Amino acid sequence: GENVEQHPSTLSVQEGDSAVIKCTYSDSASNYFPWYKQELGKGPQLIIDIRSNVGEKKDQRIAVTLNKTAKHFSLHITETQPEDSAVYFCAATINSGYALNFGKGTSLLVTP
Amino acid sequence: DAGITQSPRHKVTETGTPVTLRCHQTENHRYMYWYRQDPGHGLRLIHYSYGVKDTDKGEVSDGYSVSRSKTEDFLLTLESATSSQTSVYFCAISEGGGDTEAFFGQGTRLTVV
Repeated sequence: GENVEQHPSTLSVQEGDSAVIKCTYSDSASNYFPWYKQELGKGPQLIIDIRSNVGEKKDQRIAVTLNKTAKHFSLHITETQPEDSAVYFCAATINSGYALNFGKGTSLLVTP
Repeated sequence: DAGITQSPRHKVTETGTPVTLRCHQTENHRYMYWYRQDPGHGLRLIHYSYGVKDTDKGEVSDGYSVSRSKTEDFLLTLESATSSQTSVYFCAISEGGGDTEAFFGQGTRLTVV
């Protein structure tokens, strides 16, 4: 099936630093690229998303960029805080838009 | 939180037994999904539904079946549980399909011994 590759699998940063997570996708028909945050023992929750007609989107300390030509998109978290520690998943639409395919996740640790 | 309830939250079952997991929503969303989450594999799609009695297979559907007889309920059945199906199972719902926000349940931890 269509693949979404996500890197790195683990990321450790100091509080206040920036964190960047990168994803690539294979289905050129994908048009929606959300990012989810999963805290321990909970289900994933949407934190930001971007559509194929937009190159960048920002919401306070988080931003997402999309390069459709290269088929990659990235999550940027600035001024990281300990509460940003979680697992982050990127995703892309598959199956003619019926469902999402997820990357394998990035475990982010922000140390004080 | 979106109105999604998964039951049971935890289950231990023996190899070879059938198991049914339930997802119930109160949001009247058209689309419902079952994912499994395993270390090193992230979230993988098992089956999804795009309406009552309308379902389709995902990436890892072998050994699983689903049913959706009414909008609010989506059942996942392991026909004959195997140890490889030990996992955390998440139900998700969305209003407009894969290009709209998906809301996830709290998950069901299933252990097959």
